[in-house]
Amino acid sequence: DTAVSQTPKYLVTQMGNDKSIKCEQNLGHDTMYWYKQDSKKFLKIMFSYNNKELIINETVPNRFSPKSPDKAHLNLHINSLELGDSAVYFCASSSAHYNEKLFFGSGTQLSVL
Amino acid sequence: DAKTTQPPSMDCAEGRAANLPCNHSTISGNEYVYWYRQIHSQGPQYIIHGLKNNETNEMASLIITEDRKSSTLILPHATLRDTAVYYCIVQTDSWGKFQFGAGTQVVVTP
Repeated sequence: DTAVSQTPKYLVTQMGNDKSIKCEQNLGHDTMYWYKQDSKKFLKIMFSYNNKELIINETVPNRFSPKSPDKAHLNLHINSLELGDSAVYFCASSSAHYNEKLFFGSGTQLSVL
Repeated sequence: DAKTTQPPSMDCAEGRAANLPCNHSTISGNEYVYWYRQIHSQGPQYIIHGLKNNETNEMASLIITEDRKSSTLILPHATLRDTAVYYCIVQTDSWGKFQFGAGTQVVVTP
């Protein structure tokens, strides 16, 4: 009964490829997020969605395109992968947009070769 | 959002209380203090948060000073499974826009 699940857990690919990471939450939350953790272990928000609508886009390159088919799912598609995209990507969800508690998935380790 | 200062690392003996300090001297009146932790290779886990009053839950206690410029997270009886990076975050912004810093690497030893 994983609350926030994301797949795949590991993703190894070549530069220039297009890949997707999927995220699903079964908590009934309205808000979902994508965070990126780089090699220095700093976590930064990329996107925030509320009821399928984009709320936050933290100056992420256009190659990254989140898609929320419904409020339980938030997928991340990445075009033309670059070496610098290598990182761990975390999906999260919360029940409210203010004073919220985030529930994180276990992460997707993306390695671009 | 206010920035926080945490020690980079600290050790704690198993079974003892772990007191994790956090300085947030520029905190605004409506900013909350949040604590998350990240166990190796896992996603961050929410621990506790508060505004002015001290808070306690099943995981930890949060002590916020009266001037709100610093706080302490207390793990009452540390176990080996509490070994993790602990993040102190202050924020008022909504939509999950938390600014995670470097955190404190806590190592609990037998």
